[in-house]
Amino acid sequence: NAGVTQTPKFRILKIGQSMTLQCTQDMNHNYMYWYRQDPGMGLKLIYYSVGAGITDKGEVPNGYNVSRSTTEDFPLRLELAAPSQTSVYFCASSKMVGSSYNEQFFGPGTRLTVL
Amino acid sequence: EDKVVQSPLSLVVHEGDTVTLNCSYEVTNFRSLLWYKQEKKAPTFLFMLTSSGIEKKSGRLSSILDKKELSSILNITATQTGDSAIYLCAVKTGANNLFFGTGTRLTVIP
Repeated sequence: NAGVTQTPKFRILKIGQSMTLQCTQDMNHNYMYWYRQDPGMGLKLIYYSVGAGITDKGEVPNGYNVSRSTTEDFPLRLELAAPSQTSVYFCASSKMVGSSYNEQFFGPGTRLTVL
Repeated sequence: EDKVVQSPLSLVVHEGDTVTLNCSYEVTNFRSLLWYKQEKKAPTFLFMLTSSGIEKKSGRLSSILDKKELSSILNITATQTGDSAIYLCAVKTGANNLFFGTGTRLTVIP
């Protein structure tokens, strides 16, 4: 299993540009998450999904959109990039069985710089 | 390939017990090691360790880094049911990447 994969690893955007961060997991996990981590800060949840076709906002959803058309993929879209979105983005997945909370597996991250 | 390994994978203790969680790493260009507590969705930050041998404390939690052994421990004394969570270890490398372990699930029984 490759686990959670993210592409690209690095990207520089100009203000106002758009891009999609890709995330794929091959563990058949039903839950998937997008986080951002700013320097010196903890992880902040942007969006999460409990299964294909279902997404929900986290702490900091403004400026982002997500979709979950398949169990494996959970892309994160930035429509109009702003310098405040300069961060490292992590995708994660977990297997939820009933109400039991299980470990999240993290991807390697995408470093995004908006200039 | 950079990796972070945590042990044990899960742990069940009684209130009042002391626990020690382990994190070992193999990475290129180590910068720092971070501990997080995860209860619901997003992990919450606990400690960041950059220097070997210097203990960081926050209430009943403490952590120390051993760069020679490429490892860190997280201690929780006098555990409470509110300590039940998954504890994540992550290592930041020179490329400013962050590599997470899969975590240790701690369950504290009243």
